[in-house]
Amino acid sequence: QMQLQESGPRLVKPSQTLSLTCSVSGGSLSHGDYYWAWIRQSPEEGLKWIGYIYYMGTTAYHPSLSSRAVISVDRSRNQFSLRLSSVTAADTAVYFCARESRASPYGLDVWGQGTAVTVSS
Amino acid sequence: DIQMTQSPASLSASVGDRVTITCQASDDVTEDVNWYQQKPGKAPKLLIYDASNLFRGVPSRFSGSGSGTHFTFTISNLQPEDFATYYCQQYHLPQSFGQGTKLELK
Repeated sequence: QMQLQESGPRLVKPSQTLSLTCSVSGGSLSHGDYYWAWIRQSPEEGLKWIGYIYYMGTTAYHPSLSSRAVISVDRSRNQFSLRLSSVTAADTAVYFCARESRASPYGLDVWGQGTAVTVSS
Repeated sequence: DIQMTQSPASLSASVGDRVTITCQASDDVTEDVNWYQQKPGKAPKLLIYDASNLFRGVPSRFSGSGSGTHFTFTISNLQPEDFATYYCQQYHLPQSFGQGTKLELK
């Protein structure tokens, strides 16, 4: 059974870069039927889709974050990562990684447990 | 960007009740809408995909319908474990979620 696990710093200073990694176990990230996504959740924004990556490297981002977000994949480690630059307090949220199916049944069908990130000096 | 307007924001119900949540999309998303359940401190779980299809392992008391811009999600015969927050999501890019409906025990 596939499992995803987020890791990374819980506290980031304003203007710095938030970096998170999602480790995939119980299956290969290189499976062609899936995208690998990042979603965040805060009381202010609710659930917000940040973007996703396909194992070959194709990405898509939310337009409001596209200038600051970079999602990358490390197939050798079966991991994918999120970097969000120039963070502010508005980026404080619980960050989830998730698997998104490219074929029916469509949807975010496997999620990490989420990691809470606070932006504060 | 497509906005998903979900209502109500909260709902009180009893075990055995039938409840319905609606989501209105700001543009035509055909049937590209999913529904999720989230419990406190946990990640969302996929319940319904493509507006009306039950995801594997999800009890049949959960159902969805709709197309275009108007979607509904129904739970029949509410069970104690169903009290949670529910979200709709459309998956045209950029993907977006509704604001959520918190289902509470009356």
